[in-house]
Amino acid sequence: EVQLVESGGGLVQPGGSLRLSCAASGFTFDDYAMHWVRQAPGKGLEWVSGISWSSATIGYAGSVKGRFTISRDNAKNSLYLQMNSLRAEDTAFYYCAKIMGQQQLKGGFDYWGQGTLVAVSS
Amino acid sequence: EIVLTQSPGTLSLSPGERATLSCRASQSVSSSYLAWYQQKPGQAPRLLIYGASSRATAIPDRFSGSGSGTDFTLTISRLEPEDFAVYYCQQYGSSPRTFGQGTKVEIK
Repeated sequence: EVQLVESGGGLVQPGGSLRLSCAASGFTFDDYAMHWVRQAPGKGLEWVSGISWSSATIGYAGSVKGRFTISRDNAKNSLYLQMNSLRAEDTAFYYCAKIMGQQQLKGGFDYWGQGTLVAVSS
Repeated sequence: EIVLTQSPGTLSLSPGERATLSCRASQSVSSSYLAWYQQKPGQAPRLLIYGASSRATAIPDRFSGSGSGTDFTLTISRLEPEDFAVYYCQQYGSSPRTFGQGTKVEIK
């Protein structure tokens, strides 16, 4: 059974940093691209960042480029999101999501974690 | 960046009725790289449709997707009680991937 479990969320002051983690199990992690998607409370979905299975290809939304860094450790079956210079508008649930196709860059997200809440406030 | 506009914002229907949801893109979505997701309160999104018209694993056949280029449609042929939720389209043909703002299907 595929499982994605996010952790690392919490309350942080504006300008602060957080590192999110996503622990993956139930599939061959190093064969799949992974992504982060966020959702502000009561709002819609926003794609944040994605990384290919080998880390060779990485992309960011314009709203987080230069502040957030995605990475993965295939030996630990883990995905990460380092978030720096956090702003109030970064407040959201952060989901990690798995791409459906093996060694594919394009595809729908067939499995999602339950999300971790990041709240940026003074 | 491709902007996806979903309509209507809210759809009020009764169980057993047909639901038709629209997703319009600001520019052509390459190779019909478009997906639809369902999200219920307090839950993560669930993939329904990928490649504009292919159903994801274990998705009932009352859900169907169609369209190409800039106009896409999700149809739920006969609404079941569990189908009342928010639906999002997403394009993954170009970066950044983008989502529509969502359509809420509510019980009339």
